[in-house]
Amino acid sequence: EAAVTQSPRNKVAVTGGKVTLSCNQTNNHNNMYWYRQDTGHGLRLIHYSYGAGSTEKGDIPDGYKASRPSQENFSLILELATPSQTSVYFCASGEAVANTEVFFGKGTRLTVV
Amino acid sequence: GDSVTQTEGLVTLTEGLPVMLNCTYQSTYSPFLFWYVQHLNEAPKLLLKSFTDNKRPEHQGFHATLHKSSSSFHLQKSSAQLSDSALYYCAQNSGGSNYKLTFGKGTLLTVTP
Repeated sequence: EAAVTQSPRNKVAVTGGKVTLSCNQTNNHNNMYWYRQDTGHGLRLIHYSYGAGSTEKGDIPDGYKASRPSQENFSLILELATPSQTSVYFCASGEAVANTEVFFGKGTRLTVV
Repeated sequence: GDSVTQTEGLVTLTEGLPVMLNCTYQSTYSPFLFWYVQHLNEAPKLLLKSFTDNKRPEHQGFHATLHKSSSSFHLQKSSAQLSDSALYYCAQNSGGSNYKLTFGKGTLLTVTP
């Protein structure tokens, strides 16, 4: 089965600090995604990527940056973390075909205090 | 813009009763629709996806039919089981050259004895 690994799995950060969430996939998928999950909002797309060197804005990109240095790695960066960014973050990968599934990592629980 | 609307919030059912979770969508193109399921403390994973040839997808007793005329992809099961308790997401990939995968807000299904 497709493997998507996120690190760290849990993170406590201070307001104003920089946070980097990492994601690695060994599926050779072109597409990768970052979502956040909040009760009442479901899964909301932050950034996504079509391949190494590409990043695209999702539906809620403000306050977040993304980096795709290689096919395997996709990072989400919070330059100045705020308490409103406290959430569970999921990374996912999928093939560049519209009707195929995406595979999710186990999530990162981020708390900004 | 593209969006997905689901039965919101919490649905509570007694074991053995039928399940129906609603999903409607708005899309610029002719989209592909998906149902993902997330059990407690796990990652979301694919349950069903729509086909292009009007076949009805089925998995684990669940099925869904894509109705383009009403822009719907409702999830159904004839008899709920305790193990069906989970968070269910409807999602669409709007196709074209954009593989952006958009999720609804999720429906928490609780099945009681």
